[in-house]
Amino acid sequence: QVQLVESGGGVVQPGTSLRLSCAASRFTFSDHAMNWVRQPPGKGLEWVAFIRYDGNYHVYGDSVRGRFTISRDNFKSTLSLHMNSLRTEDTAVYYCVKVRLSKLRSPGGDMDVWGRGTTVTVSS
Amino acid sequence: QSALTQPASVSGSPGQSITISCTGVSSALNGYNSVSWFQQHPDKAPNLIIYDVGHRPSGISDRFSGSKSGYTASLTISGLQAEDEADYYCVSSTTSETLYVFGSGTRVTVL
Repeated sequence: QVQLVESGGGVVQPGTSLRLSCAASRFTFSDHAMNWVRQPPGKGLEWVAFIRYDGNYHVYGDSVRGRFTISRDNFKSTLSLHMNSLRTEDTAVYYCVKVRLSKLRSPGGDMDVWGRGTTVTVSS
Repeated sequence: QSALTQPASVSGSPGQSITISCTGVSSALNGYNSVSWFQQHPDKAPNLIIYDVGHRPSGISDRFSGSKSGYTASLTISGLQAEDEADYYCVSSTTSETLYVFGSGTRVTVL
């Protein structure tokens, strides 16, 4: 069964940086696009960033564009999210999410499997 | 890109059927088949229950069904059970820079 395990969350001050990681297993990671999706406490889901299966294309949500960077290491089956200039409104559970179909060259595609999430709290 | 609109809450008695709507702007839903639905129990990760408008992943009960008409996608839960009490989110790909747009979420209560 597909497994995604996020790590790297924590409590940080506004303006600082944090790096999240997602370890993928039990599927061919290099064949699937991936996303980060977040959920603020008590609120709904918000898409954060997308990266194509080969790592050569990425797209960001309006609220994080220019501050966050998504990347992947297909040799290590790892997805990352580098978060800079963190704000209090970035406080959320961050989920690593797999795209269902393999080797999609166009951006997007149905999301299917989610990790359990890692919590980021930005507070002074 | 605004969130897709869902009712905040829907309730029903065990055995009944309920339908959750998901209404979006034209660039989100109209012309696209990539509408998915996720179920989220408290303090759990979302779980895919419908993809491509009306397809169920393996292991998902056939009590869950999806459809789309014009600018509105719908999720129907038949034979409502206590375990169906959860939050439900729709999501669709868009043509804008906001690649995915989620619905606002619907809390389903089993009376």
